[in-house]
Amino acid sequence: SAVISQKPSRDICQRGTSLTIQCQVDSQVTMMFWYRQQPGQSLTLIATANQGSEATYESGFVIDKFPISRPNLTFSTLTVSNMSPEDSSIYLCSVETSGGAIKQYFGPGTRLTVT
Amino acid sequence: GQNIDQPTEMTATEGAIVQINCTYQTSGFNGLFWYQQHAGEAPTFLSYNVLDGLEEKGRFSSFLSRSKGYSYLLLKELQMKDSASYLCAVYAIKAAGNKLTFGGGTRVLVKP
Repeated sequence: SAVISQKPSRDICQRGTSLTIQCQVDSQVTMMFWYRQQPGQSLTLIATANQGSEATYESGFVIDKFPISRPNLTFSTLTVSNMSPEDSSIYLCSVETSGGAIKQYFGPGTRLTVT
Repeated sequence: GQNIDQPTEMTATEGAIVQINCTYQTSGFNGLFWYQQHAGEAPTFLSYNVLDGLEEKGRFSSFLSRSKGYSYLLLKELQMKDSASYLCAVYAIKAAGNKLTFGGGTRVLVKP
């Protein structure tokens, strides 16, 4: 399994500001992902964080709004830019391991409230 | 695109059995995950099925039929702590990269 930590665990931010969320894994992983979970909803994939190249974004998500860094195989950041109340959500980092069966694990999440 | 359907909510009694169904349509199918998520917490991995059949793991079992695009999660001997959301997620290989897509989740309420 993989142990994933995220910082901050929660934050309250003002409209128009930006927040950077950090994700740290205890082992090297090839695949890292960022998800969003809006209140009462399921998880939606924002992007795949690629090491050494630009992230791959899903439909409806763009780099200007959600810039992502992946400097190495154990760390990634997601920035939520120019926030609005609609960005209030839980943001989750996830990693995929494939030693044998494929498994995907989630970090504890960052609960963001935008006022 | 991918369509993943599961019931919104189910209620069951402590000690009973509950079966949560999930149907899906996708290309590049490469497995189906089930996760448990308690309120305010991150999803926790329960199972991964890539071949047809039943996988049993203690009180929880997961079944997959690839030809029917169908899976279920079976929870036996329900306990109060099993009250949670259960998420069905389809893993698919796409040209743009592998992708895990979630259904809407099934909220299970266990009553005494």
